[in-house]
Amino acid sequence: DTGVSQDPRHKITKRGQNVTFRCDPISEHNRLYWYRQTLGQGPEFLTYFQNEAQLEKSRLLSDRFSAERPKGSFSTLEIQRTEQGDSAMYLCASSFRGPGTYEQYFGPGTRLTVT
Amino acid sequence: LAKTTQPISMDSYEGQEVNITCSHNNIATNDYITWYQQFPSQGPRFIIQGYKTKVTNEVASLFIPADRKSSTLSLPRVSLSDTAVYYCLVGDNAGNNRKLIWGLGTSLAVNP
Repeated sequence: DTGVSQDPRHKITKRGQNVTFRCDPISEHNRLYWYRQTLGQGPEFLTYFQNEAQLEKSRLLSDRFSAERPKGSFSTLEIQRTEQGDSAMYLCASSFRGPGTYEQYFGPGTRLTVT
Repeated sequence: LAKTTQPISMDSYEGQEVNITCSHNNIATNDYITWYQQFPSQGPRFIIQGYKTKVTNEVASLFIPADRKSSTLSLPRVSLSDTAVYYCLVGDNAGNNRKLIWGLGTSLAVNP
């Protein structure tokens, strides 16, 4: 197992364009999270899946953001009509819900720059 | 949701023990305390988790007093590679850890 992977690692886009990021969690993990992190801040929760069901979405997340996790495996995060304020590191994490601890395993992140 | 308060930054030297204290006055009965480490341009990495008293693993120790309103992460004999941001979080281990609130963390600088 190679851990959580994210693609792409870097994305530069022009304001108004749509972007899509992919996250591949650790295979046996049934929970998947998306976070956004800006410089000097801690990760900010965006949304969360248990298997294929999206169970929670942050109120801070505008309608331009959408996430999916078909078949409970990989997940995609799409941002429509990007704005300069969307520039951030987008982090994906996965965890396993079961007996024991529930630590989240993070991917390397996708750094988005909106010009 | 329990919020946490940590020092913004700390300085140390190689070989010293570093203790980072986190306050979580509103911790709930079911909440666990979890610490993560983050290097620049990387995702956070789990360090340690505990509920009460003391937990130790190969990386760190976590001390939690009886009232659980604070916790202390102890890093023994730090090295330059321990320079990172350390986050303290509290959350319900039974299923609500998706609502973990991440603060600003503690930026630890280890000097030679």
